[in-house]
Amino acid sequence: NAGVMQNPRHLVRRRGQEARLRCSPMKGHSHVYWYRQLPEEGLKFMVYLQKENIIDESGMPKERFSAEFPKEGPSILRIQQVVRGDSAAYFCASSPPIGTGGVYGYTFGSGTRLTVV
Amino acid sequence: GQQVMQIPQYQHVQEGEDFTTYCNSSTTLSNIQWYKQRPGGHPVFLIQLVKSGEVKKQKRLTFQFGEAKKNSSLHITATQTTDVGTYFCAGSTSGTYKYIFGTGTRLKVLA
Repeated sequence: NAGVMQNPRHLVRRRGQEARLRCSPMKGHSHVYWYRQLPEEGLKFMVYLQKENIIDESGMPKERFSAEFPKEGPSILRIQQVVRGDSAAYFCASSPPIGTGGVYGYTFGSGTRLTVV
Repeated sequence: GQQVMQIPQYQHVQEGEDFTTYCNSSTTLSNIQWYKQRPGGHPVFLIQLVKSGEVKKQKRLTFQFGEAKKNSSLHITATQTTDVGTYFCAGSTSGTYKYIFGTGTRLKVLA
């Protein structure tokens, strides 16, 4: 019963390159959330997705950042033309479908540590 | 927008001492969750509180949700070195499954 899988664990990109971060939710979970964490800081909400739908992207920067959760395959967080300030840990979390009862605690992946050089 | 603050930001305690972190939201919450993140790790879900004034216990951990559903606390009795990490509260408002995380309290336990 695999948990939330994120890859790669570590990603190094030069300024101006694109970064693609992948997240496969826990089996049976249909909600995916992306959070960014700067060193020794809290988790900042970026985007909330369900299959083929962006539910809330109020935390996403307007430019260079995009996210998708296609019908098949993992959720992707894409950062175009990366800058040094994008260096952070990016965590993906998933939760069960609404209405399944119980508690909707997030299950987090191990994160992708992005370093922009 | 909704903000969730936690105090203290850092806490160092001697092993065996108690520890408390406080969480305050700028808006009324429908529920609140608590997570623990070990150094270098990812957040792990601990518990969810839903009802006004609710108190839940997990072994040495006691969680409380305020009457107005705008604040919460986590109390650890007789800390152990395994309690080291950052504790986050996360609040959600009605009609959404998006959680806004608090600023976190980093706990260090000195043996």
